[in-house]
Amino acid sequence: NAGVTQTPKFQVLKTGQSMTLQCAQDMNHEYMSWYRQDPGMGLRLIHYSVGAGITDQGEVPNGYNVSRSTTEDFPLRLLSAAPSQTSVYFCASSYSTPGLAADTQYFGPGTRLTVL
Amino acid sequence: EDQVTQSPEALRLQEGESSSLNCSYTVSGLRGLFWYRQDPGKGPEFLFTLYSAGEEKEKERLKATLTKKESFLHITAPKPEDSATYLCAVRLRYSSASKIIFGSGTRLSIRP
Repeated sequence: NAGVTQTPKFQVLKTGQSMTLQCAQDMNHEYMSWYRQDPGMGLRLIHYSVGAGITDQGEVPNGYNVSRSTTEDFPLRLLSAAPSQTSVYFCASSYSTPGLAADTQYFGPGTRLTVL
Repeated sequence: EDQVTQSPEALRLQEGESSSLNCSYTVSGLRGLFWYRQDPGKGPEFLFTLYSAGEEKEKERLKATLTKKESFLHITAPKPEDSATYLCAVRLRYSSASKIIFGSGTRLSIRP
């Protein structure tokens, strides 16, 4: 299993440009999430999905869109990049059924994004 | 307000010098507490999940414990390869899948 994969690893954008960060998992996990990590702060949830076709907002959703057309893929779209979106972005997935203990999240290697 | 606080922010130890990292939480209800290890330039790597006060989990030189207000990650006789940032996260009871709160981490450095 490749686990959770993310592309690209690094990206530089200019203010106002748009782009899509890719995330894929091969563990047949239902839950997938996007986080951003900034210096001195904990990981903050941007958007999440509990299954194909179902997405919802997390703590910091503004400026980002997601969709989930398949179980495997969960892309994150930046609509009009701003310097405040400079961060490291992590995708995570987990298998969870209510009442079971196995809801550990597995993280991808991250995408380091700089917006000039 | 639900909150997770890790201390210290940074810790430097000599190889073989045991110590503990703290994760204190103030939440409305705990479903589970997670510990992760994060190496520079990489994603967090899962270490442990704890579910109830009194529970303990061990893995090599690491041992995680849980009380009603905090969790400790004990590191016994650490080696330089244990150097990393250790993250703690809490999943809240009676909440949606989104409600996982991360602490800001402890940067651990082990000198040979």
